Amino acid sequence: GAVVSQHPSWVICKSGTSVKIECRSLDFQATTMFWYRQFPKQSLMLMATSNEGSKATYEQGVEKDKFLINHASLTLSTLTVTSAHPEDSSFYICSARAGGRNNEQFFGPGTRLTVL
Amino acid sequence: AQSVSQHNHHVILSEAASLELGCNYSYGGTVNLFWYVQYPGQHLQLLLKYFSGDPLVKGIKGFEAEFIKSKFSFNLRKPSVQWSDTAEYFCAVNAPESGAGSYQLTFGKGTKLSVIP
Repeated sequence: GAVVSQHPSWVICKSGTSVKIECRSLDFQATTMFWYRQFPKQSLMLMATSNEGSKATYEQGVEKDKFLINHASLTLSTLTVTSAHPEDSSFYICSARAGGRNNEQFFGPGTRLTVL
Repeated sequence: AQSVSQHNHHVILSEAASLELGCNYSYGGTVNLFWYVQYPGQHLQLLLKYFSGDPLVKGIKGFEAEFIKSKFSFNLRKPSVQWSDTAEYFCAVNAPESGAGSYQLTFGKGTKLSVIP
């Protein structure tokens, strides 16, 4: 089956620093990648949708200058949390869609971000 | 915009009991429906999906779900649960004809299932 990886799996950083999270589709080309945020005991909230080679589309309320998304290739998307603050601490999950009429998304294992 | 509600936050069952997890969505157009499972410490995995055709969908590990359009529901069922089914279950909906972002998934808040041996 399709595999999506994320790196790192967890990260702890100081307030004010920037953190980059990578999302890779390992055995397929992902035309679209999605970034979600999950708070404890909450559902996954879509942050943004990115298509390879174009700018990401952000959901309402998500600051595009704070959460920078780059989808440079068909197998890699990155999310950079700039000037992170404690309220940015969360579980960030990416998913990837292979394209065509199949709407199935394959999810990465998530990245736990803790901002001190 | 579509929304998804899952009625139960936490369900506790004994092994061999039957399971039904509720899921309702709000969207008037065509929908694709999904159930995902997240085992402890693992990533989300697809259990089953409905795109069209037979409204009774069978998935992996003995799970099934029934799409009832008139009730906007897509409840997940399993006749006999096992301890290994302990996990969190998420219902999700996608509206393929909604234009921009038509591949996006909207998730419910999840239902935690605990199966007691």
